[in-house]
Amino acid sequence: NAGVTQTPKFQVLKTGQSMTLQCAQDMNHEYMSWYRQDPGMGLRLIHYSVGAGITDQGEVPNGYNVSRSTTEDFPLRLLSAAPSQTSVYFCASRRGRDYEQYFGPGTRLTVT
Amino acid sequence: TQLLEQSPQFLSIQEGENLTVYCNSSSVFSSLQWYRQEPGEGPVLLVTVVTGGEVKKLKRLTFQFGDARKDSSLHITAAQPGDTGLYLCAGARGSGYALNFGKGTSLLVTP
Repeated sequence: NAGVTQTPKFQVLKTGQSMTLQCAQDMNHEYMSWYRQDPGMGLRLIHYSVGAGITDQGEVPNGYNVSRSTTEDFPLRLLSAAPSQTSVYFCASRRGRDYEQYFGPGTRLTVT
Repeated sequence: TQLLEQSPQFLSIQEGENLTVYCNSSSVFSSLQWYRQEPGEGPVLLVTVVTGGEVKKLKRLTFQFGDARKDSSLHITAAQPGDTGLYLCAGARGSGYALNFGKGTSLLVTP
């Protein structure tokens, strides 16, 4: 199993550009989540999904969209990038509420 | 508003010393998890505690969940350089779909 994979690993965007961060898992997990990690802020939840077709907002959803058409994939879309979205983004998945959460390797995004 | 407060934020100790990291909240959690993260990588789960008062041991690491399920602690005995990393606590509330993370404790163990 590859676990949780994320692409790209690094990305530089200009203000106003759009892009999609890809996330895929091959463990048949129902729960998937997107976090951003900023220095001194820990991990903050952006959006999460409890199954295909079901998504919900986390702590910091503004400026991000998600959809979940399959169990395996959970892409994160930035519609109009802003410098405040410069961060490291982690995708994660888990089988259920009290089960281990597996994280991807992260995407380091810089918005200039 | 940070639901989970971790302390200390930074900790630098010498090999062989003991240490305790705290994770506190005014909210009740249905479960609490501890992760360790190394630079350039995603967090990796160390333990999940579910029952109030629960104590779990993982080699030299001891994890405790408070009786009221509002706080937790991580104790490391005889720290080693390999323990260096960022330690994060994360709690699930209610239905537990979403995990709230603390800001983390950055630990440096020097030989």
